[in-house]
Amino acid sequence: GAVVSQHPSWVICKSGTSVKIECRSLDFQATTMFWYRQFPKQSLMLMATSNEGSKATYEQGVEKDKFLINHASLTLSTLTVTSAHPEDSSFYICSAELAGAPYEQYFGPGTRLTVT
Amino acid sequence: AQKVTQAQTEISVVEKEDVTLDCVYETRDTTYYLFWYKQPPSGELVFLIRRNSFDEQNEISGRYSWNFQKSTSSFNFTITASQVVDSAVYFCALSEGSYNTDKLIFGTGTRLQVFP
Repeated sequence: GAVVSQHPSWVICKSGTSVKIECRSLDFQATTMFWYRQFPKQSLMLMATSNEGSKATYEQGVEKDKFLINHASLTLSTLTVTSAHPEDSSFYICSAELAGAPYEQYFGPGTRLTVT
Repeated sequence: AQKVTQAQTEISVVEKEDVTLDCVYETRDTTYYLFWYKQPPSGELVFLIRRNSFDEQNEISGRYSWNFQKSTSSFNFTITASQVVDSAVYFCALSEGSYNTDKLIFGTGTRLQVFP
């Protein structure tokens, strides 16, 4: 149990286009989901915390207008990278927190974004 | 401020050797959680352990063991009789104990290479 999926697993897009990444908790409800970014050979950096039905909370330095997060249901959160640029190329990982069980985060397999 | 330090960037060992990965953390909270995750080349984070700040008992799980010492703010991870499949990047992470702030702060990771 406690499986989190991400779609797509990898995507290549052209500079200036927008890309949407989905994060789904497959067999549990997640009131909170987190989005992380990981550059090659670096650590995971939290981008934002997403709560179902409310606006996401962004970490300092993360542009909320560029990284749009929507958490429309208890099993789905989406991250849209708008007007992507090559410097947005990264590995994006989401995690879902089991409803009613804080600190039990389950991670998705990640999405590798390459902007050309 | 919270901080997690993994001073060892990369460790190489030969199969069957024991290896210890160090983790030192900083927090002003009295209640917090510590985690270890494994990230194999595929990229997906694998949860290894969660420990709360009130439980200083060491834990052993198969070839894995963890040593938590609040006096030195350390949460070290030992792999006994390492195997090639243990090759991965290992992250130590910290989460505050406040219910409203359960985001994870990751260390920079230690890349472990186990050679046959």
